[in-house]
Amino acid sequence: DAKTTQPNSMESNEEEPVHLPCNHSTISGTDYIHWYRQLPSQGPEYVIHGLTSNVNNRMASLAIAEDRKSSTLILHRATLRDAAVYYCILRDEDQGNTPLVFGKGTRLSVIA
Amino acid sequence: EAGVTQFPSHSVIEKGQTVTLRCDPISGHDNLYWYRRVMGKEIKFLLHFVKESKQDESGMPNNRFLAERTGGTYSTLKVQPAELEDSGVYFCASSPFEGTGGSWETQYFGPGTRLLVL
Repeated sequence: DAKTTQPNSMESNEEEPVHLPCNHSTISGTDYIHWYRQLPSQGPEYVIHGLTSNVNNRMASLAIAEDRKSSTLILHRATLRDAAVYYCILRDEDQGNTPLVFGKGTRLSVIA
Repeated sequence: EAGVTQFPSHSVIEKGQTVTLRCDPISGHDNLYWYRRVMGKEIKFLLHFVKESKQDESGMPNNRFLAERTGGTYSTLKVQPAELEDSGVYFCASSPFEGTGGSWETQYFGPGTRLLVL
């Protein structure tokens, strides 16, 4: 899996939007961009994924750059419950159910 | 639908003892993964079962770790004998199986087992 680069930490005020960036300059054409997060004392959980087009679900939005070398996870209104470590992970569609490769992720703090 | 469950939630043992961790995946999920995070490090893959078969065990650190998946249902991870550096959080994850053809699935994680070796 290609590597991703994320800031170590970010901070947000409650109820404000949060944009979590991820760089993946060596992404291949068959790599999907996945985001997982890990809440305190819990296992990681899936957030969202995409290939080329921007994606929305009930948890977040994913904005993917036109050249696919970067992406941004958007939390539209951060809540205290969103405080977690967010991981941007590339998964090759051609490699089936391979393990996830976690980096250091971005630790998001949300201030009330 | 019940999620992935892990037992125990915490375990404190002495160096040289044996510990067995258990993971119950989501019912019907053929893929089962073990990961762990040791103190200050990133979450690392240990091994992957497809049903009862080991698909990939490239992440297993050494032969003190033994994983089994009886009948393709629950899985156990035994550490024998435990060493200090085995301390960390062990996560289990599962996903359905779509067969061949380049498909992948979201992985659903359990809450982890926190292992402390003294």
